[in-house]
Formats: sequence, C-alpha cells, structure tokens
Amino acid sequence: LAKTTQPISMDSYEGQEVNITCSHNNIATNDYITWYQQFPSQGPRFIIQGYKTKVTNEVASLFIPADRKSSTLSLPRVSLSDTAVYYCLVGDENAGNNRKLIWGLGTSLAVNP
Amino acid sequence: DVKVTQSSRYLVKRTGEKVFLECVQDMDHENMFWYRQDPGLGLRLIYFSYDVKMKEKGDIPEGYSVSREKKERFSLILESASTNQTSMYLCASSSRRGSPNEQFFGPGTRLTVL
Repeated sequence: LAKTTQPISMDSYEGQEVNITCSHNNIATNDYITWYQQFPSQGPRFIIQGYKTKVTNEVASLFIPADRKSSTLSLPRVSLSDTAVYYCLVGDENAGNNRKLIWGLGTSLAVNP
Repeated sequence: DVKVTQSSRYLVKRTGEKVFLECVQDMDHENMFWYRQDPGLGLRLIYFSYDVKMKEKGDIPEGYSVSREKKERFSLILESASTNQTSMYLCASSSRRGSPNEQFFGPGTRLTVL
C-alpha cells in the first residue's frame, strides 16, 4: 500500500526558493502525484500535478525522478502569502475498483520577512 | 469558477444526535468526497461517490453514512454523534473529464460534539 511521507514543517524567508519533498516508495504505475495548498479556515486548493519528469505552471514546479518514488514541489521566490500547509497526494481517483488516494500529513511552511 | 458549498461553517451538537452535513457543487462533477481533518492526522477520506446513488467507503467510514440522490449534492450523516467525531469536515468534488485528483474543496464545517 502506498504511503506518502513529507516533512512536518519548514521555514524560509521572503524571496527564497522553497523545495518540499514527498516520498512515496510504493507508488503504483497509474498513480498521479498532486500537491495542494491550504490556508487556515479554508479547504485545500490544487496547486500542481504530474506523472513523471517536470511540470511547471504559474505557481510552482514539480520535479519527479524516473523511479517516481519521490517528488519535489518547488516554490520560486516565496512571499509571506505562501505561508500555508502543503499536502502531497498520490493515487488515481478514477483508477477503477482499486481506487486509493494517499494523502501526506502536510508540511507547514512558514515564510518569514 | 467551481464552487463547492457546505451547509454550515460551524456546528455544535449533542452526543447521540443525528447530524446531517450537506455539500453542493455547481460544476456538474461526477466525483464527490467527504474528508475529516484533525491536527497531526491530515486529511482522512470518509466516503466518496462516483455517481448518483453510488458510494464507496474511504479509510474511516465507521460511524458515518452518506447519501447522493442528486449529482450536485452529497450528504454526510452521523447517525449518533459521539465526541470523537468532533472535527473539521471537508467536502470536495472533481470531474472525471479533468485532471485526475484535481479536487475542489468547500470551506469546511467545524463540528463540535458535546
């Protein structure tokens, strides 16, 4: 059964690049890797998703090595407003009878001035 | 923009009461989910539904049931609320036509059972 592990917390400063790594040793062939951001008193918000190699959007980049046993969310030049909890999610909700979504416990990122 | 709404932001109930949490989405999504979120435990899936009248157990279904009579509405039911069900409850929806696992969450309902 897949399990996702990510650091509990991280600290950074404004303007720095932040990399949050999630390990998922037992990822299945058809699983996707998805990252969410959550602010206090709000539901999580989708940031980025990938299957392999690198994905980039206007918010972040996602790096996935060839073995897919880990993934790294990269936030370029963070600001105070990036202070949030970041969740890694592995699985495929549309995979059929063996659907399984595995959420990490979240990484609390604090961005300091 | 996708909108997922939950019936209450805050709810206080007594032990033994039957509790209904309602969730409505306005984007014609096939998939709907109920999670609970507790400090240090992250998001845990209670139930999910891939179609009207369909439901599947998640990781922690005990003490809960669900109903999906219409595509846009997914209800979570606590048949007899207990204090250990005090938690933040989050509803989400997603489309099978979109990116896998791109779920849209509601704002959450903070339930306190006394």
